Amino acid sequence: SAVISQKPSRDICQRGTSLTIQCQVDSQVTMMFWYRQQPGQSLTLIATANQGSEATYESGFVIDKFPISRPNLTFSTLTVSNMSPEDSSIYLCSVEKSEGMETQYFGPGTRLLVL
Amino acid sequence: GQSLEQPSEVTAVEGAIVQINCTYQTSGFYGLSWYQQHDGGAPTFLSYNALDGLEETGRFSSFLSRSDSYGYLLLQELQMKDSASYFCAVISSGNTPLVFGKGTRLSVIA
Repeated sequence: SAVISQKPSRDICQRGTSLTIQCQVDSQVTMMFWYRQQPGQSLTLIATANQGSEATYESGFVIDKFPISRPNLTFSTLTVSNMSPEDSSIYLCSVEKSEGMETQYFGPGTRLLVL
Repeated sequence: GQSLEQPSEVTAVEGAIVQINCTYQTSGFYGLSWYQQHDGGAPTFLSYNALDGLEETGRFSSFLSRSDSYGYLLLQELQMKDSASYFCAVISSGNTPLVFGKGTRLSVIA
């Protein structure tokens, strides 16, 4: 298993500002991912955070809006830039451990409200 | 592209059995996973099927039919604590992340 922490757990931000979310894992992992989840909705993959190289973004998500860092095998950050109310959501990081991609472990999420 | 269909809501009585279905359309298929998410919580892994057939883990079982692009999650001896959202998720290859369905909200009533 994996123990994942995220900071902050929640925040209320003004439009036009940026917020950086941190994800820390208790052990080294190869794959880290960032998801977005609207309340009561499904999880949408934003990007895969690659250690030592640029993140791989899914369709509809771009680096300028969601820059990601992955400085080592236990840590990643996601920045939500130039926020608008449409960015209000829950942001979750997850990791894949040695069991395989079918078993992903999720952090507790960051609840973001943009006013 | 990939799409997954599952019912949006299911209600069942405590002690009963409930089945949550999932059909999928993907360009590639490696396996089907199921996740549980309680309100305000993180998704947690329940089960995984790569081959046809039934996988049993305690009160939870999961089934897959690759030829029918179909799977289901079976929850037995329902308990109130099973009230949660359940997501099926597809892996299209060995090194691609999960793609989640829209989720099924299960309400267990007394």
